[in-house]
Amino acid sequence: SQQGEEDPQALSIQEGENATMNCSYKTSINNLQWYRQNSGRGLVHLILIRSNEREKHSGRLRVTLDTSKKSSSLLITASRAADTASYFCATHNTGTASKLTFGTGTRLQVTL
Amino acid sequence: DVKVTQSSRYLVKRTGEKVFLECVQDMDHENMFWYRQDPGLGLRLIYFSYDVKMKEKGDIPEGYSVSREKKERFSLILESASTNQTSMYLCAIRRTSGGDIQYFGAGTRLSVL
Repeated sequence: SQQGEEDPQALSIQEGENATMNCSYKTSINNLQWYRQNSGRGLVHLILIRSNEREKHSGRLRVTLDTSKKSSSLLITASRAADTASYFCATHNTGTASKLTFGTGTRLQVTL
Repeated sequence: DVKVTQSSRYLVKRTGEKVFLECVQDMDHENMFWYRQDPGLGLRLIYFSYDVKMKEKGDIPEGYSVSREKKERFSLILESASTNQTSMYLCAIRRTSGGDIQYFGAGTRLSVL
């Protein structure tokens, strides 16, 4: 399968700073989603952006999508220690029914 | 809220044992998924099910089988566990409304010795 790739693999910032994570994918998509995973737990859905959308906001989260470059970014503003987690992008690829293809994740560490 | 329950958080088994991982949902969702998660590889789809008694192979089905006899329960079976199946296993369901969002269980960390 074609997996997305997140960049960077790991990110360490201080509380109050912004965190930006990038995701690249390889095929045409219906939508792209971002998920969060606390250590040793399941994934939690954060935000979904459709292929005809360019930007979406949810609270402190901002997601952009550039289908011409097959890339997306997740911005977390004013980060908090509680944002420490792994973040994954997932694509719903065209013609793949209900399956999602997940990236390899970015590990975010927010220090006080 | 959607609730997805995996029967065990941690499991230790021996090579060659038959292992059952259970996943139960509390709503009437058709689509259920089993993933394994390994460091540096992200989530990889093992099997998924569209409905009762229906299943499809994902990207890495070798060494696994599944069972879905009732809508709320989706079981992952390791017929003869091997050490390379030591991993984190995640079950998920998909809501048909809301654009393909998946809801995950807490995961089962399986160690095969």
